Amino acid sequence: QQQVKQSPQSLIVQKGGISIINCAYENTAFDYFPWYQQFPGKGPALLIAIRPDVSEKKEGRFTISFNKSAKQFSLHIMDSQPGDSATYFCAASMSWDKIIFGKGTRLHILP
Amino acid sequence: DAMVIQNPRYQVTQFGKPVTLSCSQTLNHNVMYWYQQKSSQAPKLLFHYYDKDFNNEADTPDNFQSRRPNTSFCFLDIRSPGLGDTAMYLCATSRAAPGGTEAFFGQGTRLTVV
Repeated sequence: QQQVKQSPQSLIVQKGGISIINCAYENTAFDYFPWYQQFPGKGPALLIAIRPDVSEKKEGRFTISFNKSAKQFSLHIMDSQPGDSATYFCAASMSWDKIIFGKGTRLHILP
Repeated sequence: DAMVIQNPRYQVTQFGKPVTLSCSQTLNHNVMYWYQQKSSQAPKLLFHYYDKDFNNEADTPDNFQSRRPNTSFCFLDIRSPGLGDTAMYLCATSRAAPGGTEAFFGQGTRLTVV
């Protein structure tokens, strides 16, 4: 119940294309769903986050879509650029509690 | 300005020789985490502090210990490192609040056990 399942494990997208990464969770008590971006040799950094009272959040080229009934959420990267090549982790947490990470998606954008 | 600072960035230690990694924060966050991240894997939570309350993950080996002497500092002690403990160790902080809040990560300490 504490797991966050993330797919795909790796993704290759052409420059300018849309990158889509999906996550699913079981615990309906989760109330915060962040996405982290990690470059090699660096710590993860928050990219965008959503709370379950909204179905979509957009920040620049990055959009989270959230489906509460299906217990799924996804990250969409529009107009993907080579600089977006990184590992992306979805995560979930409950108020006052630890963050649970998905297993990560290694994204590679072809120039 | 760096908000979560880990030292050292790189550490090489001998098999079985105790090692201590440090983390400091300027955010005054009440929660501090230690994660272990092996190559091409997700960060794995070892333990976290909620203020002074220590929360150990069930599968964290006894070999790993932690200290949090004050709000700003947290240490990870590996009493007898094995080759399998070679990994990136990440410290993170957050401010526990309703609805969850962002976790801020340090740059990590890359530990190599030889």
